[in-house]
This record gives sequence, structure tokens and C-alpha cells, in this order.
Amino acid sequence: DAKTTQPNSMESNEEEPVHLPCNHSTISGTDYIHWYRQLPSQGPEYVIHGLTSNVNNRMASLAIAEDRKSSTLILHRATLRDAAVYYCILNYGGSQGNLIFGKGTKLSVKP
Amino acid sequence: DAGITQSPRHKVTETGTPVTLRCHQTENHRYMYWYRQDPGHGLRLIHYSYGVKDTDKGEVSDGYSVSRSKTEDFLLTLESATSSQTSVYFCAITAGTLDSPLHFGNGTRLTVT
Repeated sequence: DAKTTQPNSMESNEEEPVHLPCNHSTISGTDYIHWYRQLPSQGPEYVIHGLTSNVNNRMASLAIAEDRKSSTLILHRATLRDAAVYYCILNYGGSQGNLIFGKGTKLSVKP
Repeated sequence: DAGITQSPRHKVTETGTPVTLRCHQTENHRYMYWYRQDPGHGLRLIHYSYGVKDTDKGEVSDGYSVSRSKTEDFLLTLESATSSQTSVYFCAITAGTLDSPLHFGNGTRLTVT
């Protein structure tokens, strides 16, 4: 499976945008990019996924580089509830089973 | 929330005893997964199921077995618990299509003394 690289931790201020980077230089043409997050003491939850084009949903936006070797999860206005570990995951063919979770980025949000 | 329930939520057991964790879903999803989460290792896949009586091993399957006799239930068994199996265990489900994300349960915290 293609690997991803994320910073171990990031800090943000409440109500400011947050850009969480993910590098995946060995991504293949059929690998989808998935983002999940894990709030304290909970199981992970789905955030967003994409293949080539930028994607938006009610939770976040996903910006994918033209060469697909990196992507950025964008939280438009961070809230205290967004403090979590964010995982960037690649999966062949897009099905969201058998996802391999790395260590993710721990996002702290300051009031 | 997706209908997925893990039981028990907490368990303390002694080394060498058998332990069974249960994952129950009401979504009729085909795929079910067991993960464990430990500090410094993140989430690791133990076993998964792609249908009734159809299961396969994940990354860290040694010491664990699973069974799925009904669509809604996926059981994880530690035949003889060891201290290294102290962990938080998460069950997850998905319909398996691109637009069907993994839904996770709230986890079972297992302590083996």
C-alpha cells in the first residue's frame, strides 16, 4: 500500500482556518485519498475522500495537488470540537474497507 | 450514528483466560472489521469479514480468532489473553462501496493483568 506522511502535530486558533497537509509521493492512479479523524475517547469518523478533483462537504474541503503527490484537508473555521487526530489514508480502488491507519496529525485548537 | 454497538465497553481479565468481544450492527452492512489501538502504533487491523462465515486476517491477527455466524454480529476471541493484548479494540462496518465510509463503534477497553 502507498504510504502517507503527515506532521505529528499542529496547532490552530479557534475560528481560524486550518490546513492539514499530507504527502503521498508514491500514490498510484487508482488510489483514493481518504481522511478520517478521531476525537478523544471515540472511534474514528469519516471526514472526506477524493481521487483527483478538489472536494467539499459540510465538514471540510480536500485540496488535491495536480500531480496527486500531496493533499490538504481544510477546516474552514476551527472549533474546539475539531481538536482530534486526523488521518490521511490511501486506498486502492476507493472502497473504504481495509483502511490502514497511520499515526495521523494531532490537531490542537486554542480558544 | 450508524447502528454499531460494542460490548462490553470495559473489561479486566487475567492472563490465560479466554475473552470474547462482541460487535453488533443494525445496518445490514456486508463488511465488518476489528482494529486495536495502542499508544505509538495507531490503529491496526486484526481481522475482517466480508460476509457470513467469510473472514480473513489483518496485520496483527496472531492470538486472535473471529467468527461471523450472522450478518449483524462479529465476534473477536482471545483464546488465552496475554498482557500484550491490553488495548482498546474498535469494531467498524461498511457497505463496501466508494461512498460508504467506515463507521466505528465506541470501542472496548480491555486490560489483561
